[in-house]
Amino acid sequence: DAKTTQPPSMDCAEGRAANLPCNHSTISGNEYVYWYRQIHSQGPQYIIHGLKNNETNEMASLIITEDRKSSTLILPHATLRDTAVYYCIVRAMEYGNKLVFGAGTILRVKS
Amino acid sequence: EAGVTQSPTHLIKTRGQQATLRCSPISGHTSVYWYQQALGLGLQFLLWYDEGEERNRGNFPPRFSGRQFPNYSSELNVNALELEDSALYLCASSLEPTFGSPPGTDTQYFGPGTRLTVL
Repeated sequence: DAKTTQPPSMDCAEGRAANLPCNHSTISGNEYVYWYRQIHSQGPQYIIHGLKNNETNEMASLIITEDRKSSTLILPHATLRDTAVYYCIVRAMEYGNKLVFGAGTILRVKS
Repeated sequence: EAGVTQSPTHLIKTRGQQATLRCSPISGHTSVYWYQQALGLGLQFLLWYDEGEERNRGNFPPRFSGRQFPNYSSELNVNALELEDSALYLCASSLEPTFGSPPGTDTQYFGPGTRLTVL
């Protein structure tokens, strides 16, 4: 599995966009970028995933650079409930690949 | 639609005892995954079951075992409990991963976890 690098923590003002970066410079051609978040002591929540095109869903947007070596998760209007640990994971869409979690980014949304 | 459910929420055992944790996947999901989240160690993959068979195993000793039932629910058993087994145990489920499936088909969805405390 490709390794990812994320900042250990970030702060964001409530109502503003939260932009969470992730570096995955060793990503290979068949690996997708997945984002999960974990609110204190709960199970991780799936947010979004992508291969090379930008993706958007009801929760967030995912921007992947053209060389695919980095990506940014965007929460357009952060709320206090978005305070969580955000994990960026790269994995291949092949049979049986487990999720490898790093340390993630602690996002603190402040009023 | 109900999500992944796990029981019990909390479990307290003493060293040397056995613990059994249970997981019910999302309806229609055939794959179940177990992860351990110990303090300071992050989320680590334990086991993957699909169609009743163990498909993959993480770097854990054999006293961590499990099974998957015909209704796709799963059990995780931890024998000869040690203090360092204290952790949040998370179960996830997905549709059966297959080569060539559309992206996201095998996205894993997590349950709330079981907090195991070994005294």
